[in-house]
Amino acid sequence: DAGVIQSPRHEVTEMGQEVTLRCKPISGHNSLFWYRQTMMRGLELLIYFNNNVPIDDSGMPEDRFSAKMPNASFSTLKIQPSEPRDSAVYFCASSTPAGGGFTGELFFGEGSRLTVL
Amino acid sequence: QQQVKQSPQSLIVQKGGISIINCAYENTAFDYFPWYQQFPGKGPALLIAIRPDVSEKKEGRFTISFNKSAKQFSLHIMDSQPGDSATYFCAARRSTGNQFYFGTGTSLTVIP
Repeated sequence: DAGVIQSPRHEVTEMGQEVTLRCKPISGHNSLFWYRQTMMRGLELLIYFNNNVPIDDSGMPEDRFSAKMPNASFSTLKIQPSEPRDSAVYFCASSTPAGGGFTGELFFGEGSRLTVL
Repeated sequence: QQQVKQSPQSLIVQKGGISIINCAYENTAFDYFPWYQQFPGKGPALLIAIRPDVSEKKEGRFTISFNKSAKQFSLHIMDSQPGDSATYFCAARRSTGNQFYFGTGTSLTVIP
């Protein structure tokens, strides 16, 4: 089975440019999460969706960040305009809710490494 | 604020030794405590997890010890191997909702 698929794996851009990161969750998973990983702060939850609906976006750092999930198999995280402090690895993860034999385990993609010059 | 506090930040252990990583939490609404392992260039992957109704869970060389009253849990890696060198994250999930909160990670290096 395919895991969580993220693209691009690496992105280098200049300050002020728009960045769009993409995620395809595991088929059948109805929860999707965007995390940001930095050395200083570890894994930070940015936003998560249940059944394509944003449930908690309190981790989104500022209005420059936005996320969408137009259908069950696709999500985007957009940064506009990008800044050097946005440089990090961005992970998408998906899961099924706990219950019915499921633990609610998170399955992570391999991440998108963003560098903003 | 950090919902789950993890220590140490880094750890160097000799091959065959025991690696111990500790985590603490405050929110009593957490009901599931997984540990994730991350290799360079990869996403974190579930290693082992525990629920608060048990005090210990063992899977091979990996053991979680859980102290509900102290709100602490730890990962023990017995007979540590160079292949265990990775970053380890503890996490906690709220009983309502599906949000996971992660510790800041521990970089483990096992020296041959």
